[in-house]
Amino acid sequence: AQKITQTQPGMFVQEKEAVTLDCTYDTSDPSYGLFWYKQPSSGEMIFLIYQGSHDQQNATEGRYSLNFQKARKSANLVISASQLGDSAMYFCAMRLQGAQKLVFGQGTRLTINP
Amino acid sequence: KAGVTQTPRYLIKTRGQQVTLSCSPISGHRSVSWYQQTPGQGLQFLFEYFSETQRNKGNFPGRFSGRQFSNSRSEMNVSTLELGDSALYLCASTDRDRELFFGEGSRLTVL
Repeated sequence: AQKITQTQPGMFVQEKEAVTLDCTYDTSDPSYGLFWYKQPSSGEMIFLIYQGSHDQQNATEGRYSLNFQKARKSANLVISASQLGDSAMYFCAMRLQGAQKLVFGQGTRLTINP
Repeated sequence: KAGVTQTPRYLIKTRGQQVTLSCSPISGHRSVSWYQQTPGQGLQFLFEYFSETQRNKGNFPGRFSGRQFSNSRSEMNVSTLELGDSALYLCASTDRDRELFFGEGSRLTVL
């Protein structure tokens, strides 16, 4: 079975600092995708970034980058130059190739202080 | 393109009642899936539909059901509501084997 672990229930960061949100995963399947979503208080899950298990390079999307370490089974999200609007819940998720569901971690609540 | 639209956004029901939630996917997306989010259990997969067929189902009792129409719009139904069904129900759509795009959810409170 697949499992996602996010060990940081909450994080507090000063505005403009970089922040790393941890995510480890467990699967025996060789092909999978890893995702990060942001959930503000409104409830909508906003897609941030995707990393395929066979991708050679770490994914980047604007201020978001994914530090993918396959051997360690980790997929940490790095947010550079944090902004007040980054305050939200962040979820790491995994999807096996061909599978129809995402498996989510428990999330990390990020608070950006001015 | 319009995003995923879920209705209603908020609703309150009493135990024993039933509820139907609606989801309109992004235009062109044929896969629609549903998730339940609660503080205790987190985000859990309910089921996924593709071209009006249920392809996968999560570990939920039979009180939870869904369907998809020919225009890809989907509904989920929960019968005989229990207090523990109080949750945010999220719908997501996709057109490929990558990211899912979520709606804002329907927040159900069962009294």
